[in-house]
Amino acid sequence: QVTLKESGPALVKPTQTLTLTCTCSGFSLTTKRTRVTWIRQPPGKALEWLARIDWDDDKFYSNSLKTRLSISKDTSKNQVFLTMTNMHPVDTGTYYCAVTRGPSLTLDSWGQGTLVTVSS
Amino acid sequence: DIQMTQSPSSLSASIGDRVTITCQASHDIRNYLSWYQLKPGKAPKLLIYDASNLDTGVPSRFSGSGSGTDFSFTINSLQPEDLATYYCHHYADLPYSFGQGTRLEIK
Repeated sequence: QVTLKESGPALVKPTQTLTLTCTCSGFSLTTKRTRVTWIRQPPGKALEWLARIDWDDDKFYSNSLKTRLSISKDTSKNQVFLTMTNMHPVDTGTYYCAVTRGPSLTLDSWGQGTLVTVSS
Repeated sequence: DIQMTQSPSSLSASIGDRVTITCQASHDIRNYLSWYQLKPGKAPKLLIYDASNLDTGVPSRFSGSGSGTDFSFTINSLQPEDLATYYCHHYADLPYSFGQGTRLEIK
């Protein structure tokens, strides 16, 4: 059974750096065509695609956020990380991770998300 | 970046109704489009991938069509459990993006 679970701080202060962890099970991050994506949803707003890391360690970022984002993985723990620097209140929202296992590039399984609030 | 325009932003329908949501891409995305269902507190669920393929276990009342820039998503015979927000998502060219979402209410 494929599962993804996001974890991280529920509250961060403005200007701080956020680090989120996506713990994956039921598949391996090293399997060819496996890709993990981070998506977020501000309260009452639409989903926003943030970043993706592939089985071969290729990385891709949102053009509007790429100066603040970093995605990485620990294959020994089957975890993917997202770091976002200089957090603002507008970054408040639910952060999701999702997996693509090919051949389609669709996001075939998602985590339940983790709510992050940015406030002083 | 490719922009996705989804409509309507919300709609209200009765049990048994047929409901259609549309998504338009700013550039040709071939058939690289999915539809997801979001419910509060639950993991988003893939319904349709590659424009018209039903994901495993998804009821057949859900369907998708289109290619190029114009796509549609249909629920035939709306059920109470279909109360949710629905999003389209393109994966033609990086960075990918989502539509603005459609909140579906049951009358």
